[in-house]
Amino acid sequence: NAGVTQTPKFQVLKTGQSMTLQCAQDMNHEYMSWYRQDPGMGLRLIHYSVGAGITDQGEVPNGYNVSRSTTEDFPLRLLSAAPSQTSVYFCASSRTSGYPGEQYFGPGTRLTVT
Amino acid sequence: AQKITQTQPGMFVQEKEAVTLDCTYDTSDPSYGLFWYKQPSSGEMIFLIYQGSYDQQNATEGRYSLNFQKARKSANLVISASQLGDSAMYFCAMREGFGNEKLTFGTGTRLTIIP
Repeated sequence: NAGVTQTPKFQVLKTGQSMTLQCAQDMNHEYMSWYRQDPGMGLRLIHYSVGAGITDQGEVPNGYNVSRSTTEDFPLRLLSAAPSQTSVYFCASSRTSGYPGEQYFGPGTRLTVT
Repeated sequence: AQKITQTQPGMFVQEKEAVTLDCTYDTSDPSYGLFWYKQPSSGEMIFLIYQGSYDQQNATEGRYSLNFQKARKSANLVISASQLGDSAMYFCAMREGFGNEKLTFGTGTRLTIIP
């Protein structure tokens, strides 16, 4: 199993550009989520999904869109990039049943907006 | 109020010593779970250990154990016999409520093991 994969690993954008961060998992997990990690702030939840066709906002959703058309994929779209969106982005997935239900994380995408 | 508080931004520990990383949490839900993740300098997030609010015993996983004090709302991670490879950021996280998968993370503790 590849687990959770993310592409690209690194990305530089200019202010105002849009892009999509890709996330895929091959573990048939129902739950998927996106976090951003900023220095001194830990990981903050952007958006999450409990299954195909179902998405919801997390703590910091502004400026980001998501969709979940399949169980495997959960892309994150930046609509109009801003320097405040410079961060490391992690995708994670987990089962919604079973113990302990830990989340599996992708390797991260380091995004710089200039 | 912060849901997860990690008060130690950085710690330095001698190799082979035990180390305790502090985590306090705030929730009014009787059903919750507490997770610890390790993030080495390579950046990936590695799950270490889990404690459920209804678990009767403190969780253990190899050299990792969780000192769970429910009344004090603390869930400290204890690493026994520290190794150089334990140098990393450590995050405490909480999942609140039955059927809720969302995690709230603390700000982390950077642990450095000194040879």
